[in-house]
Amino acid sequence: EAGVAQSPRYKIIEKRQSVAFWCNPISGHATLYWYQQILGQGPKLLIQFQNNGVVDDSQLPKDRFSAERLKGVDSTLKIQPAKLEDSAVYLCASSLVTLTEAFFGQGTRLTVV
Amino acid sequence: AQSVTQLDSHVSVSEGTPVLLRCNYSSSYSPSLFWYVQHPNKGLQLLLKYTSAATLVKGINGFEAEFKKSETSFHLTKPSAHMSDAAEYFCVVSDSDTGRRALTFGSGTRLQVQP
Repeated sequence: EAGVAQSPRYKIIEKRQSVAFWCNPISGHATLYWYQQILGQGPKLLIQFQNNGVVDDSQLPKDRFSAERLKGVDSTLKIQPAKLEDSAVYLCASSLVTLTEAFFGQGTRLTVV
Repeated sequence: AQSVTQLDSHVSVSEGTPVLLRCNYSSSYSPSLFWYVQHPNKGLQLLLKYTSAATLVKGINGFEAEFKKSETSFHLTKPSAHMSDAAEYFCVVSDSDTGRRALTFGSGTRLQVQP
């Protein structure tokens, strides 16, 4: 079974630039999550999708972050404009609707300079 | 609201000695609890999970955890540490309320294994 795919693995941008991350969840997984993991901390939920609908985006900084899940499969997370404090690893995860176990991708390490 | 407290940010053990990583949780509903491991530059991997079945849960690589509702704890143990166990460990809770199943992570415990 293929795992959660994320790209790119690494990205370096200057502050005020924009960036986008892509995630392809495990086939058949209806629930998709984006987490932000700042160095030395545990992952923090940014947004949760159920199919192509948003279940929870209460911790998403909506003035600069946006996310979408087209056709209930792939998802993109965008930051515009980026700030220095956005430097982190962005993790995508997916799970079946009726199970709570989540499978994580390798993450995208973002450095904002 | 759900939350997790990992009581130790760093734990250091000698190879071959027991491992204990402590976790307390707060949950308004019947929680599901997990331990994930993160090796350097690797993705998060599920070690074990508790979902209201047996309170003693066995996971991969010889790890196990016991759910104690009275103590709101879910400590992770292993009888004998191996060098390859050195990693960051996260205790995670998921509430079974209103279909919101997002995972809430603790701050992590870094396990060092000395030769």
